Amino acid sequence: GAGVSQSPSNKVTEKGKDVELRCDPISGHTALYWYRQRLGQGLEFLIYFQGNSAPDKSGLPSDRFSAERTGESVSTLTIQRTQQEDSAVYLCASSPGQLNEKLFFGSGTQLSVL
Amino acid sequence: SQQGEEDPQALSIQEGENATMNCSYKTSINNLQWYRQNSGRGLVHLILIRSNEREKHSGRLRVTLDTSKKSSSLLITASRAADTASYFCATGGGSYIPTFGRGTSLIVHP
Repeated sequence: GAGVSQSPSNKVTEKGKDVELRCDPISGHTALYWYRQRLGQGLEFLIYFQGNSAPDKSGLPSDRFSAERTGESVSTLTIQRTQQEDSAVYLCASSPGQLNEKLFFGSGTQLSVL
Repeated sequence: SQQGEEDPQALSIQEGENATMNCSYKTSINNLQWYRQNSGRGLVHLILIRSNEREKHSGRLRVTLDTSKKSSSLLITASRAADTASYFCATGGGSYIPTFGRGTSLIVHP
């Protein structure tokens, strides 16, 4: 595709359920980022993948959050045992992979935990 | 943290006026980027200024960078209603991971 694709665009779940969010980066982009944005707030870094290197997980808020990436393609962000405070927009971005380049963002997944 | 912080948090102006937003950060950077976000969804990259640059232009956008004051400003000239959005700065440094501030919410009244 031409841009970063995220699915689903909206997800409503019940507290305690697991959710899986998907990100398809731009083809050829080796760097992939996940951010979280609570209502009216800035972007909170979650995790960063660069090629086949070990991901930087320093932003994950708890062990309920995990993410995987297959090679330099699709990434999934999994939240286990969701809590109401997990409600936010989850944004994925990719970049060609060189140091400090601009990011290309997807439209995000709006997660609502009831 | 080298997270950028935008100021003001909110800005309301009339169409045709100029809008100025500021960003301050704490540590050394390699570059600073400005992004725009409509309706709380994906961000769109506007402009990147490197640490050895002082000013950069792109259409109606003008960005300045003062590394001695650890600050940057984004000027939108002759604003339009379509410029209504949230604007974020992101600082990039040795960690390679851009960190974002809370943004400035700009409303341009027609």
